[in-house]
Amino acid sequence: GESVGLHLPTLSVQEGDNSIINCAYSNSASDYFIWYKQESGKGPQFIIDIRSNMDKRQGQRVTVLLNKTVKHLSLQIAATQPGDSAVYFCAENLGAGGTSYGKLTFGQGTILTVHP
Amino acid sequence: ETGVTQTPRHLVMGMTNKKSLKCEQHLGHNAMYWYKQSAKKPLELMFVYSLEERVENNSVPSRFSPECPNSSHLFLHLHTLQPEDSALYLCASSQVHQGEYEQYFGPGTRLTVT
Repeated sequence: GESVGLHLPTLSVQEGDNSIINCAYSNSASDYFIWYKQESGKGPQFIIDIRSNMDKRQGQRVTVLLNKTVKHLSLQIAATQPGDSAVYFCAENLGAGGTSYGKLTFGQGTILTVHP
Repeated sequence: ETGVTQTPRHLVMGMTNKKSLKCEQHLGHNAMYWYKQSAKKPLELMFVYSLEERVENNSVPSRFSPECPNSSHLFLHLHTLQPEDSALYLCASSQVHQGEYEQYFGPGTRLTVT
């Protein structure tokens, strides 16, 4: 079946460094991707999204890169801060497929730990 | 906070109990979702309601019964659960709109079945 997966389950960085979290997806029909951040005791929070007709999108301190050739998605966090410590999930939408609602498939998640 | 609230935040129940989880969204959305989050597993989609109609049921056991009385409220009724049902149950909402798939999540209900 189709799946979304992450290369690294954990990532440790020093405060101020840049972080890169990777995600591989296998469904070439996916048309929309989201990165979520989940802190302990909270639900996932939206960080940034990207559509399949784009290869890069920037937000505040975050950049998402999409490489459709190799079905790879990455999240770059600039000047990582201790408050960025959390689990990060990528999710893909498997194409509308006739539905009008979103149907997201989530990866396992990467634990980001930022050391002061 | 995301505008999606869930109650209770924590629930401990025996296998013979009946309980309900509640979700409310204050975002004016018209689609709502239930997910199960277990340790070391990806988020599992359980149910989807779009425009108050159930449109997705991902082979969820009948001991889980969803209810969506209106576009702002979603319930998950639980009965005769098993210990392996212990997990974080997350509610999410989104606005049904072509090409817009962002979902907003609540904080979840931590369920423990004893």
